[in-house]
Amino acid sequence: QKEVEQDPGPLSVPEGAIVSLNCTYSNSAFQYFMWYRQYSRKGPELLMYTYSSGNKEDGRFTAQVDKSSKYISLFIRDSQPSDSATYLCAMSLLIQGAQKLVFGQGTRLTINP
Amino acid sequence: NAGVTQTPKFRVLKTGQSMTLLCAQDMNHEYMYWYRQDPGMGLRLIHYSVGEGTTAKGEVPDGYNVSRLKKQNFLLGLESAAPSQTSVYFCASRTGTQRSYEQYFGPGTRLTVT
Repeated sequence: QKEVEQDPGPLSVPEGAIVSLNCTYSNSAFQYFMWYRQYSRKGPELLMYTYSSGNKEDGRFTAQVDKSSKYISLFIRDSQPSDSATYLCAMSLLIQGAQKLVFGQGTRLTINP
Repeated sequence: NAGVTQTPKFRVLKTGQSMTLLCAQDMNHEYMYWYRQDPGMGLRLIHYSVGEGTTAKGEVPDGYNVSRLKKQNFLLGLESAAPSQTSVYFCASRTGTQRSYEQYFGPGTRLTVT
């Protein structure tokens, strides 16, 4: 069983729809929970992060963490064609003083105009 | 600032050939990482470094070696390339602050081994 599981999709929705992306994890030692966005043929970029259970909002994006269920989500409201990308969840672990990120498989999202 | 840069951007190797991928960062970051990205597998950590002159193994280190002779550079070497090493390779860096969480990624190197 992988430490972090993410539905790879692909996911295709019309412009303006609400998008929900999800990851589950098995390791209770994860400290930070992040969402990276990766455009085609580019490197990932940090979109949002959180370290506690609950919701965190940034514009059209909301990150949600439920530590009791080991489940994180990213919601995109009023989705735009420019949101079309692969979204990777990532979780941070501190091992022997070094931070390591464990990534989900990534979900490829397409927003259709 | 250029951020994190990687050279080359693309490369095709024959089985058994060797090559070195170069990662450079101009943000004075302590930590540097090498990942590979394969379809359906996400990003997997190959090797990492917590400072100049130090390296450590990640999740999938076999077939790779690394060196961090200068703080700003992190080299990934393939001594004898195999088709299983066909992948997109990403370098990342971050500050040494304990509470820092963000890794900054380069644009990637697409490697094909035939």
